[in-house]
Amino acid sequence: TQLLEQSPQFLSIQEGENLTVYCNSSSVFSSLQWYRQEPGEGPVLLVTVVTGGEVKKLKRLTFQFGDARKDSSLHITAAQPGDTGLYLCAGGYNNNDMRFGAGTRLTVKP
Amino acid sequence: KAGVTQTPRYLIKTRGQQVTLSCSPISGHRSVSWYQQTPGQGLQFLFEYFSETQRNKGNFPGRFSGRQFSNSRSEMNVSTLELGDSALYLCASNDIGQGSGNEQFFGPGTRLTVL
Repeated sequence: TQLLEQSPQFLSIQEGENLTVYCNSSSVFSSLQWYRQEPGEGPVLLVTVVTGGEVKKLKRLTFQFGDARKDSSLHITAAQPGDTGLYLCAGGYNNNDMRFGAGTRLTVKP
Repeated sequence: KAGVTQTPRYLIKTRGQQVTLSCSPISGHRSVSWYQQTPGQGLQFLFEYFSETQRNKGNFPGRFSGRQFSNSRSEMNVSTLELGDSALYLCASNDIGQGSGNEQFFGPGTRLTVL
C-alpha cells in the first residue's frame, strides 16, 4: 500500500494542453517534494514545499501544497514534449524519512 | 560539484548469487539513502545511512543490507538473489542540517537483472 497516492497513473496529452496531477495522503508531511524522472535516469528534484497553502512556480509548472500539508498538486501550462516523464511526489515525515508515490507517467505528443 | 555516482550502471546476475552496488554521494553530503524502483511497486525506500550508521530502514528482508564508509561512500548488498530483485536501484544523497528540506539528490541508478 502506497502512503502517497498519485493520480492519474498515466496521462497522455497533446502539446499545448494544460494538465494537473495530484498527490494525496492521510498523513501530514513536514515537507513535500516533486521530482521528474526520465527513462534510464534517477529522479531530479523540481521543487520542495514546506508551508501549508504554499504555491511555487517554476516557469510553466505551478506547485501547490495543501493547507493541511497532506496533499499537493502540480499544474503544467502549455505542455511541451520535453515535459514527458515520470512525475513523483515524495513526503518527508521526520528528519530524513522520505516516502515516494508511485508516480504519474506523462506523455506529451507533438 | 559532481553529482551522485553509482557503479556499476548495469548488472546481470543469476538466482542465488549475491551482488554489491556502490554509491558516491555529492561531496559534503553525509546522508545516503537507497531505493528500489520497479514498474509494479514504484520507488521503495530500502535504508538510509548517516555518519556510517543506519538511521532508517524500510520494509525489506534481511537479504538487503548496506554500509557507509567514513568518506560517506555507501554500498548495498543483496544476498541470495531472487528473480523479484530485478529492479533499478537508486542511491540518493542529502545535505542535512542546512535547510535542505529533506531534498534527495539521486544518482543514475544501477539496473540489476536477475536471471
